[in-house]
Parts: sequence; C-alpha cells; structure tokens
Amino acid sequence: DAGVIQSPRHEVTEMGQEVTLRCKPISGHNSLFWYRQTMMRGLELLIYFNNNVPIDDSGMPEDRFSAKMPNASFSTLKIQPSEPRDSAVYFCAIHLWTSGGALDEQFFGPGTRLTVL
Amino acid sequence: RKEVEQDPGPFNVPEGATVAFNCTYSNSASQSFFWYRQDCRKEPKLLMSVYSSGNEDGRFTAQLNRASQYISLLIRDSKLSDSATYLCVVGRGAGKSTFGDGTTLTVKP
Repeated sequence: DAGVIQSPRHEVTEMGQEVTLRCKPISGHNSLFWYRQTMMRGLELLIYFNNNVPIDDSGMPEDRFSAKMPNASFSTLKIQPSEPRDSAVYFCAIHLWTSGGALDEQFFGPGTRLTVL
Repeated sequence: RKEVEQDPGPFNVPEGATVAFNCTYSNSASQSFFWYRQDCRKEPKLLMSVYSSGNEDGRFTAQLNRASQYISLLIRDSKLSDSATYLCVVGRGAGKSTFGDGTTLTVKP
C-alpha cells in the first residue's frame, strides 16, 4: 500500500544524535498527522497540519521535537537531541474525507520504529 | 481520566465465540466515531465507522449511544484472523481524532 510512505522504517541511534523522520503522503489529503505509539502511552497525537500549516502542536512533548511540512507531498519530524525515552513507533497519517461523510478515514503509513540507545 | 477509555483486555476466546468490546468517551462535542484494527507491528487501519443507528459489516456490529457516550463493537463467529488490537477512535472534526489504548483480542483454535 503506497498511500503514505515513511522512511526510514527502522532507526537505531545513540542518545544525543539528531533524528529526522520522513513522510510522503498521497495527494488529495485534507490533513496530515504525526503520532507516536508506545506500550506505556498508546497512540499519541504529536502534531497535525491542515493545508501544510501546523494547526495543533500541543502534543509535541518538548522543544527537542519539531515538524515541518514544506509542501503537500512531504513532511518531516525531527528530534534533536534524541533521548532513550523517545524510543517508539512514529506514524504519519493523512485524513481523507468528503462532505456528506461518504469518506472519513485516516490512512496511516507503516511507521518508523525508533530506538535511541 | 482519559478522553477515550476502552476495556483493558486482553480477550482470549476460542474460534466461533462472540466477543464484545466497549468504549466510553468524555467529550460530548465529539462528532465522529470509529473502530480501527491494528495487527502486531503494523499500522492501524479503519475497520468501520460507527453511527447512531448502529451498523453492521458481516460478522462485525458497531453501536453508538450518544447519551451515554458509549461505543461498542461486537464480533460474532470469531476467526483466528480476527486476532489483533482494536482501537476505539473519537473524532472532533477536521480529522483530529483521539485513539483509545486498544483492546487486544486473541482467538485460539
């Protein structure tokens, strides 16, 4: 399923290093979301964009996290410097909907599994 | 209190059993409701939307009670392939959604 492409799929890095996660969504989406999933906290919304503009970043845990969406086909999530507690699966997702509700669905990418040593 | 709460599980059932999952949400302004399925080490995928009138898709039935702020998912005649984590999702418009922590189902032969 090439709907949302994320890279890398796996990342192992050492504490203090910069990590950049990438997302290439399919065209025609309304919004783009970055989530983080851990066993302890489940699936958490970090930030979402509407028309490439960040709308709500209240879920971003700290200033070490930043996200950009320079155009409708690309977004990045950066962690600098990374810490072991950042280890998680990071998902990028897009929202597709139509008026009337015939389509109202979030499509997730396969995720990036990040391990910070 | 979490905005979306689900049965903690895990649920371990034999093939052919009927199993029900419950979910409650706290934001009365919530507009849309869904069940997503997540297989081990995979991304969540939409299973079905949930409507006030209730809806059915094969062996799966979803119900919504807005007055009680309660959502349910019923799986009949469970299959081995139904083993997964089921996430209750509540939306507030523009796609912004809150996911429950999920309930894990294991169907055994």
